[in-house]
Amino acid sequence: GQQLNQSPQSMFIQEGEDVSMNCTSSSIFNTWLWYKQDPGEGPVLLIALYKAGELTSNGRLTAQFGITRKDSFLNISASIPSDVGIYFCAGSIAGKSTFGDGTTLTVKP
Amino acid sequence: ETGVTQSPTHLIKTRGQQVTLRCSSQSGHNTVSWYQQALGQGPQFIFQYYREEENGRGNFPPRFSGLQFPNYSSELNVNALELDDSALYLCASSLVGGPNYGYTFGSGTRLTVV
Repeated sequence: GQQLNQSPQSMFIQEGEDVSMNCTSSSIFNTWLWYKQDPGEGPVLLIALYKAGELTSNGRLTAQFGITRKDSFLNISASIPSDVGIYFCAGSIAGKSTFGDGTTLTVKP
Repeated sequence: ETGVTQSPTHLIKTRGQQVTLRCSSQSGHNTVSWYQQALGQGPQFIFQYYREEENGRGNFPPRFSGLQFPNYSSELNVNALELDDSALYLCASSLVGGPNYGYTFGSGTRLTVV
């Protein structure tokens, strides 16, 4: 079945630093999505990407849909303590999403 | 606009028992997907329901079954529970036929099988 490789698995950064994480797949997707999950909650959608090569921003977050349709990255600029959490990429096709195993972000004040 | 609500929030069952988890979809959404999330892993697709029928299934055995009702709410049933079924079960609603804005997730049901 489809599998997504998300990296890094975890990151420990200082407040104010920029963060980059990415996701690769052996399969093509027609939508890439990035979610954030806080403890005890379900994932919350951050950014959705619909076209190969698309670059989309949401505040301090920027994500890109890879040209091959098999990868995506997420950047967070000027991190703050509330950015702490687990970030998941998801590739979607025919309305069904496959998730990576997440990047756990820790931000030190 | 109400979000996705799941019940119960926590549940402890004994191996071999059966369990039913419930989900109310977000207003305006017509599709419900169920995911299993083991500790430290990403959500794994169980199945999706659209128009009260199963619309795709992941790599889960038949003892995982579901229903969708006319009001788009849904149930996930698991028979003959095994210890490995212990996980967070997430329900997500979406709109098929509309813009693909991804899922809206509920907060999940934490199932512990002992």
